Amino acid sequence: GESVGLHLPTLSVQEGDNSIINCAYSNSASDYFIWYKQESGKGPQFIIDIRSNMDKRQGQRVTVLLNKTVKHLSLQIAATQPGDSAVYFCAENIGTYKYIFGTGTRLKVLA
Amino acid sequence: GAGVSQSPSNKVTEKGKDVELRCDPISGHTALYWYRQSLGQGLEFLIYFQGNSAPDKSGLPSDRFSAERTGGSVSTLTIQRTQQEDSAVYLCASSRDRTSNQPQHFGDGTRLSIL
Repeated sequence: GESVGLHLPTLSVQEGDNSIINCAYSNSASDYFIWYKQESGKGPQFIIDIRSNMDKRQGQRVTVLLNKTVKHLSLQIAATQPGDSAVYFCAENIGTYKYIFGTGTRLKVLA
Repeated sequence: GAGVSQSPSNKVTEKGKDVELRCDPISGHTALYWYRQSLGQGLEFLIYFQGNSAPDKSGLPSDRFSAERTGGSVSTLTIQRTQQEDSAVYLCASSRDRTSNQPQHFGDGTRLSIL
């Protein structure tokens, strides 16, 4: 299928290495954040979320870090696999139902 | 269970024609969103439905765009007199309810191409 975001920043990592994808969010009042993974021709897939009262949250092979002081969010993927190749983007919750979405980073896993 | 389903997956049409896009949310999800995704852009909010409340239409780019949600479930997004700049992927998402801190679950989108 056709890829979205052909001119996105790209992160290339060797298979088995750890990946770190960063996101600068815009609103200091945002209190909930989500990371999504989007494969070519597919819709965004929920990976992990974090609330503003936390600095870190871990899932299976993924960790999200939140630095509210500098409005920065990161997604760490341990032991990156070929199936992790996709576009990753963050979302911040600015109200009860509205979100702002980042443009994303393309992750390429090198064999 | 089944995820969010969108149809058609691809739509090619001539400029000036009307198109209708369909979204079936996850069963039991009361909140439904439509977004537009263009190349290299973040998701652009279009419209939000929550239960029987009046929808938030603040993101619709022009009066050529409209959406409805029948029976609190299936939603259709209609674009009248399509223009080439309407070409994009249209994504639908649903979430359990209107409270904050609810992840949205997305369908795979409708890829709309206007010739």
